[in-house]
Amino acid sequence: KAGVTQTPRYLIKTRGQQVTLSCSPISGHRSVSWYQQTPGQGLQFLFEYFSETQRNKGNFPGRFSGRQFSNSRSEMNVSTLELGDSALYLCASRYGGWTEAFFGQGTRLTVV
Amino acid sequence: EDQVTQSPEALRLQEGESSSLNCSYTVSGLRGLFWYRQDPGKGPEFLFTLYSAGEEKEKERLKATLTKKESFLHITAPKPEDSATYLCAVQDRNSGNTPLVFGKGTRLSVIA
Repeated sequence: KAGVTQTPRYLIKTRGQQVTLSCSPISGHRSVSWYQQTPGQGLQFLFEYFSETQRNKGNFPGRFSGRQFSNSRSEMNVSTLELGDSALYLCASRYGGWTEAFFGQGTRLTVV
Repeated sequence: EDQVTQSPEALRLQEGESSSLNCSYTVSGLRGLFWYRQDPGKGPEFLFTLYSAGEEKEKERLKATLTKKESFLHITAPKPEDSATYLCAVQDRNSGNTPLVFGKGTRLSVIA
């Protein structure tokens, strides 16, 4: 059974640019969550999508957005990148909102 | 507000030296407590789910236990390959379909 796939694995962007990250969940999983991980803050919740609807949102500015497609694949977008957006972005899929989450390998974003 | 505190932040053990990691949590009602292992630069790997006080789960040298206020991850006779960051997360039962709230992790180093 294939795991959670995130692309790309690494990205280097310039301040002010925008970026789109992609996540393909485990087959049959309808919930996709996104987290930002930095050394100082740990894993911070960005948002969760379930059956194409945003179900929860964390405390991040509106520059961070996401969406989910009918095949459960999800994308997150960050506009007007700032140096502080440099982090490991993790996607997690769950069968339902109450079950364990399985993570992808993450996308390492570096903003210069 | 749901909170998760893990201790110690870092732990250095000799190979074969057993120890425990602690995860203290505050939730209005616990739906589930989750343990993950994370290697540098990779996504967290799911280990265990615990649902109610008194529950225990085991996997190889790891054993997770749960009380009403905290969970312990016991590591018996660790090996260098057990070196990783161990993350604890909780989900609140009383707040609808809430996301996982993570602690900042315990960084474990096992020296041969």
